Amino acid sequence: DAKTTQPPSMDCAEGRAANLPCNHSTISGNEYVYWYRQIHSQGPQYIIHGLKNNETNEMASLIITEDRKSSTLILPHATLRDTAVYYCIVLSAGNNRKLIWGLGTSLAVNP
Amino acid sequence: DTGVSQDPRHKITKRGQNVTFRCDPISEHNRLYWYRQTLGQGPEFLTYFQNEAQLEKSRLLSDRFSAERPKGSFSTLEIQRTEQGDSAMYLCASTGQKNTEAFFGQGTRLTVV
Repeated sequence: DAKTTQPPSMDCAEGRAANLPCNHSTISGNEYVYWYRQIHSQGPQYIIHGLKNNETNEMASLIITEDRKSSTLILPHATLRDTAVYYCIVLSAGNNRKLIWGLGTSLAVNP
Repeated sequence: DTGVSQDPRHKITKRGQNVTFRCDPISEHNRLYWYRQTLGQGPEFLTYFQNEAQLEKSRLLSDRFSAERPKGSFSTLEIQRTEQGDSAMYLCASTGQKNTEAFFGQGTRLTVV
């Protein structure tokens, strides 16, 4: 399974866009990039996923580079409730969809 | 609320005791996963069920750990002869045949004293 590299922590001002980078240089052609987040003492929450094209939903946007070796999760207007650990995961190529987690990026949204 | 429920939310037990956790996945989801998470780390995969069949177990799942999903619905995770190193958050997740994302419960936080 491809590994991911994320910065350990980031800060963002409330109301501004939060851009969270992720490197996945060993990703295979059929592997998706997934983003989850985990607010303190809660279970992880799915945010978004993509294969090649950029994706947007009500929570965030996902920008994947053309070579697919990196991606950026964008929270367009961060709020205090977006303070969490954000995990970038490359989905296991197997059918079981087992998630392999790294350490993630701890995002602090400041007032 | 994701629709995945775990019980109990917190458990404190003495070393050497047995504990059992329960997970109720989203009803139409046929795949169920258990993960363990220690402080400051990402979740670690423990085991995976498709319906009632346990298809994969991590090497983290020692002989003291056992998981079941008898009717392909709810699942239990039992830890026998608990050790202090078992203290962690135990997370359950489910996903359906066509669903692409996993839905997680709130976890059971185990403290072994």
